[in-house]
Amino acid sequence: RKEVEQDPGPFNVPEGATVAFNCTYSNSASQSFFWYRQDCRKEPKLLMSVYSSGNEDGRFTAQLNRASQYISLLIRDSKLSDSATYLCVVNPGGYQKVTFGIGTKLQVIP
Amino acid sequence: DVKVTQSSRYLVKRTGEKVFLECVQDMDHENMFWYRQDPGLGLRLIYFSYDVKMKEKGDIPEGYSVSREKKERFSLILESASTNQTSMYLCASTLLGTSGGPEQFFGPGTRLTVL
Repeated sequence: RKEVEQDPGPFNVPEGATVAFNCTYSNSASQSFFWYRQDCRKEPKLLMSVYSSGNEDGRFTAQLNRASQYISLLIRDSKLSDSATYLCVVNPGGYQKVTFGIGTKLQVIP
Repeated sequence: DVKVTQSSRYLVKRTGEKVFLECVQDMDHENMFWYRQDPGLGLRLIYFSYDVKMKEKGDIPEGYSVSREKKERFSLILESASTNQTSMYLCASTLLGTSGGPEQFFGPGTRLTVL
């Protein structure tokens, strides 16, 4: 089983739709979790951290489910500019060493 | 803003050549990383360094070496480039985030083609 698993997609959704991605991780001792966004031919950039209590940033909501070992990202009212690949990132507890998922590609359609 | 720069955006080399990829960060971060990114495989860690002259192997170190002589600079070396090292190479440095985990800042990447 991979350390971090994501559905690569693509997810094709119309503007205004709500879309959710999940990411599962295998190491139950993992300590911290993140979502990164990567635009085509660009470097990944931090979108948001994922806290145990969940967190929200505008149209984006991230959740952590430790019992089932997954994190989720919900995007409401999708915009064309949300089109990108969303990378799930897990810190398994090693010193400053994280594991990236392969990313989920989102395409928002007019 | 944190800035991570890489020496080249695009690089074309021949099989057997020695290749140097340079990465510089300007935020006094202790930790620096080299990844490669390939379609369907995602980001894979090659080497990382948590201090000057310190290095640790990542998940795929074979065929690569690194050098960290100064805190701000982390170099990736392909001793004898091969076609299977054609990839996008991304450098990153980390700052401890408020959650206690590492927020990684990436350079723009170097797309290396080995012919």
